[in-house]
Amino acid sequence: EAGVAQSPRYKIIEKRQSVAFWCNPISGHATLYWYQQILGQGPKLLIQFQNNGVVDDSQLPKDRFSAERLKGVDSTLKIQPAKLEDSAVYLCASSLDTNEQFFGPGTRLTVL
Amino acid sequence: KQEVTQIPAALSVPEGENLVLNCSFTDSAIYNLQWFRQDPGKGLTSLLLIQSSQREQTSGRLNASLDKSSGRSTLYIAASQPGDSATYLCARKSDSWGKLQFGAGTQVVVTP
Repeated sequence: EAGVAQSPRYKIIEKRQSVAFWCNPISGHATLYWYQQILGQGPKLLIQFQNNGVVDDSQLPKDRFSAERLKGVDSTLKIQPAKLEDSAVYLCASSLDTNEQFFGPGTRLTVL
Repeated sequence: KQEVTQIPAALSVPEGENLVLNCSFTDSAIYNLQWFRQDPGKGLTSLLLIQSSQREQTSGRLNASLDKSSGRSTLYIAASQPGDSATYLCARKSDSWGKLQFGAGTQVVVTP
């Protein structure tokens, strides 16, 4: 069974630029999550989708971050404009129900 | 404020010793608890998932226990090997739709 796919794996941008990350969850998984992991910390949930509807986006900085999950499968997370403090690893995860979550390899973002 | 704490932050043991990693949470409400492994530059690999109705889960050399009354979970890794070197994170879900709350992790080094 293929795991959660993410791209790109690495991205370096200047502050105030925009960036987008892509995630393809495990086939059949209705729930998709985006997490932000700052160096030395545990991941923090940014947004949770159930199919193509948003379940929780309470910790998403909506002035600069946006996410969508069209057709309830793939998802994209966008940052515009990026700030220095957005440097982190962005992890995508999916789950079949509300139980065990499976994570992708992540995208390491560096904002200069 | 609901928090998840992992102690110690780092641990170094010689090969063959048993590892004991601790995870505590301030709110006793728990739906499930999940232990993950994270290798440098990689995503999270799910190790064990304990439901609130369970007291422990085992997989090979790994055993995780859950004590809801004291708000603690412990991950035991028997007969450690250099390949066990990684960061181990625990994450608590307080209800079926609640977000995973992660600890900051315990960085483990197993020396040959």
